[in-house]
Amino acid sequence: NAGVTQTPKFQVLKTGQSMTLQCAQDMNHNSMYWYRQDPGMGLRLIYYSASEGTTDKGEVPNGYNVSRLNKREFSLRLESAAPSQTSVYFCASSDLPGYEQYFGPGTRLTVT
Amino acid sequence: SQELEQSPQSLIVQEGKNLTINCTSSKTLYGLYWYKQKYGEGLIFLMMLQKGGEEKSHEKITAKLDEKKQQSSLHITASQPSHAGIYLCGAISGNTPLVFGKGTRLSVIA
Repeated sequence: NAGVTQTPKFQVLKTGQSMTLQCAQDMNHNSMYWYRQDPGMGLRLIYYSASEGTTDKGEVPNGYNVSRLNKREFSLRLESAAPSQTSVYFCASSDLPGYEQYFGPGTRLTVT
Repeated sequence: SQELEQSPQSLIVQEGKNLTINCTSSKTLYGLYWYKQKYGEGLIFLMMLQKGGEEKSHEKITAKLDEKKQQSSLHITASQPSHAGIYLCGAISGNTPLVFGKGTRLSVIA
């Protein structure tokens, strides 16, 4: 069992470039989440998918889009990266919202 | 919306000392998770508390939920360098994703 995997682990983008962060889980979980973590700000929810076929905005969705490709995969897209999106991004999954969440190792993104 | 405040924000303790981290909610706590994050890594689940007064222990870490105070405390006995990291609490808020505190950064020095 790999748990929750994220790719890439590190990425450097220039302002205006686009990219997609990939996340996959092998625990047959229904719900998946994307967070960003910034110093002093804790974990902030960007988007989540309570079940396959649904997505909802979290606390900080602006500048991001998501796709729940299937039950296993949930991707996060930055259409036009900005320096304010420099952060560490974590994907997580759980049986249902409110249940224990399992986290991936994170993607460290720098936008210059 | 529910907010969680963790205190202290950071903590430096000498190896072997005890310490307590608090997590206070702005609303009724129906349940709470504690996670630990090693620097530069993902979050690892420590324990979950669901009932008022519930207390759980894992190795030298004990957590308790006080519903009346809308608060949970995490206590580490005889701290070790392996306890260093960021501790985060996450609250159950109905059928929505967990709400997290900003974390407490713990350093353990020899």
